[in-house]
Amino acid sequence: DIVMTQSPDSLAVSLGERATINCKSSQSVLSSSNNKNYLAWYQQKPGQPPKLLIYWASTRESGIPDRFSGSGSGTDFTLTISSLQAEDVAVYYCQQYFSTPLTFGGGTKVESK
Amino acid sequence: QVELQESGPGLVKPSETLSLTCTVSGGSVSGNYWNWIRQPPGKGLEWIGYIYYTGSANYNPSLKSRATISLDTSKNQFSLNLRSVTAADTAVYFCAGSSPGSLNWFDPWGQGTLVTVSS
Repeated sequence: DIVMTQSPDSLAVSLGERATINCKSSQSVLSSSNNKNYLAWYQQKPGQPPKLLIYWASTRESGIPDRFSGSGSGTDFTLTISSLQAEDVAVYYCQQYFSTPLTFGGGTKVESK
Repeated sequence: QVELQESGPGLVKPSETLSLTCTVSGGSVSGNYWNWIRQPPGKGLEWIGYIYYTGSANYNPSLKSRATISLDTSKNQFSLNLRSVTAADTAVYFCAGSSPGSLNWFDPWGQGTLVTVSS
């Protein structure tokens, strides 16, 4: 199984400031056949299902604000919220779809300071 | 747009079988992978498995062969059976689709249904 490790577990950021979440996979999720990273990011608010933010490590889903960006390759990835808004307070998860079983990171809780 | 809705009992006794159904509306189950994912209260997400519209399925080995996912194309539904449940199976269960023709990210998701295992 590919183990996904997120850091930090939680972070508090002032509104308008940058939030950075890291995700590390236990093996590479970069495909040599298409040069794509098989990694997605989700946002989950209390009582709601996760919401897809980013796939292929850096492609923003339709309708997602451009303050959300994904970067990284191979085993190390980052989700950045460039200017935290009140509505961004949530738990964020990374997920690999390189191989089954599909696996998620443990989540990072983003709060406002 | 495609919407998913889970249904099934909210309470299951230990050692019995948890059975849930996901109804797909606004689209067809054909051409997609359909997944079950669960989230114990206050914890992270665990992928349970998928069924492809052809009927092929794949499961997370962590469930030790207790899970079965089936598809009913006539009703545009897919279902999860999880046998021999224990308190550790208490969770919110989500159904989710993957991009047509590919097993990748999960979108859309159902709202989730809480299943409690207790006598």
